[in-house]
Amino acid sequence: DQQVKQNSPSLSVQEGRISILNCDYTNSMFDYFLWYKKYPAEGPTFLISISSIKDKNEDGRFTVFLNKSAKHLSLHIVPSQPGDSAVYFCAAAISNTGKLIFGQGTTLQVKP
Amino acid sequence: DSGVTQTPKHLITATGQRVTLRCSPRSGDLSVYWYQQSLDQGLQFLIQYYNGEERAKGNILERFSAQQFPDLHSELNLSSLELGDSALYFCASRLGQGSTDTQYFGPGTRLTVL
Repeated sequence: DQQVKQNSPSLSVQEGRISILNCDYTNSMFDYFLWYKKYPAEGPTFLISISSIKDKNEDGRFTVFLNKSAKHLSLHIVPSQPGDSAVYFCAAAISNTGKLIFGQGTTLQVKP
Repeated sequence: DSGVTQTPKHLITATGQRVTLRCSPRSGDLSVYWYQQSLDQGLQFLIQYYNGEERAKGNILERFSAQQFPDLHSELNLSSLELGDSALYFCASRLGQGSTDTQYFGPGTRLTVL
């Protein structure tokens, strides 16, 4: 039972354009959501998070949007840079447990 | 550098064997989490320890066990290894246990079972 799904295994965008990565979840108990970035041969690196009491959180070029009614979140990267090329994981948690449930990941390629 | 260290980086062993993976959390972090990343499974939560005590269990096989020591480092023990146990094993740490503190991941141990 995949509680967190990233339906697009890969995404390719041109440098300078917007990258939009999507994530869906099924468990309505999730109240905290995170995005991690992973380069080959490294562990996942925290990127940005959002609490379920918000619908948007912004940090520099990265913005996460949460649509609770649709159980959907998305990560926007503007403008995309070649160094953003990595695997992006969406994760969800019930905040009093701390356990993260990850999606399968989306490989982003930003072309120069 | 996340501040979380894992050893060894790579491990190659045979079916039926037992291995131990080690994790040192960031200084001051009390919680340690273990995750498994297989080729087709994404990152799967295995187990969490907080200040030496087990706090949560995920999809961890009975052949696997873990512990957290008084100095807060943690070990994941995998026994009776099967081909399907080949995966990347990540450790993550964070300050608390149930808050929304960020989890910081180590570089992982790549286990290959032949």
